[in-house]
Amino acid sequence: AQSVTQLGSHVSVSEGALVLLRCNYSSSVPPYLFWYVQYPNQGLQLLLKYTSAATLVKGINGFEAEFKKSETSFHLTKPSAHMSDAAEYFCAVSDQGFKTIFGAGTRLFVKA
Amino acid sequence: GAVVSQHPSRVICKSGTSVKIECRSLDFQATTMFWYRQFPKQSLMLMATSNEGSKATYEQGVEKDKFLINHASLTLSTLTVTSAHPEDSSFYICSARGGQTNQPQHFGDGTRLSIL
Repeated sequence: AQSVTQLGSHVSVSEGALVLLRCNYSSSVPPYLFWYVQYPNQGLQLLLKYTSAATLVKGINGFEAEFKKSETSFHLTKPSAHMSDAAEYFCAVSDQGFKTIFGAGTRLFVKA
Repeated sequence: GAVVSQHPSRVICKSGTSVKIECRSLDFQATTMFWYRQFPKQSLMLMATSNEGSKATYEQGVEKDKFLINHASLTLSTLTVTSAHPEDSSFYICSARGGQTNQPQHFGDGTRLSIL
C-alpha cells in the first residue's frame, strides 16, 4: 500500500526567501512521485514528476524536487518565493498502477 | 501540454435535480479518467476510476447509483449526480491520463456544485 505525508498544513515565507515543502512517501514498489499546485477554485496543475530517472527533478515556475530513497522523501523547493507562488501544493505517489494517492496538501503563504 | 476541459465550472440547482458534469481531454487520448471530490481546505478524495468502454470502479463508500460515470470515448467522461441533495454540494474535479501509468494525471478546472 502507498501513502504520502505532507509535513505542515501551512507554510509561510517572505517574498524572496527559500520555499521548502516537505513530502514523505511509503510504497512497496519503486514509486512515481508528483507535485501539483492548486489555485483557488481551480483544478490541479502539474509542477513536476519523478519516474525513476534523475533524482533531482526540475519543474515549472522555478520549482524542483529531489527524490531521496534512503529518506523516502520528495521535498519541493524553490530558491526565491514570489507572491504568485501562494497556493495549495499537493504531493502524490503512484505505485505504477492505476491509482495515485494525494497528500493532504500544504498551503503556502508568501508575505510581502 | 495536455489539456483537460471540465464543464460547467459552476452549477447551482434545486434539491432533487440531476446534474451532469463533462470532462474532455482536448489534445490526447485519455485511457483512464478519474473523478474526485474536494471538500473545503481538504485534499482530493478519489470517487471512481474509469477506463474507456468499461464500467467505472468506485471507491469504497461512494454510491455508484448516486454518482453515475460514463466513459464512452477516449476523450470524454461524464459524471451525473442523480437526485442531488445539499450534502452533495462540493467541488468536483476530473482528471485524465493517457498511455503509460508513469504519466501524470492532467486535471480539469473543477466544478463547484451547490444544491439549494
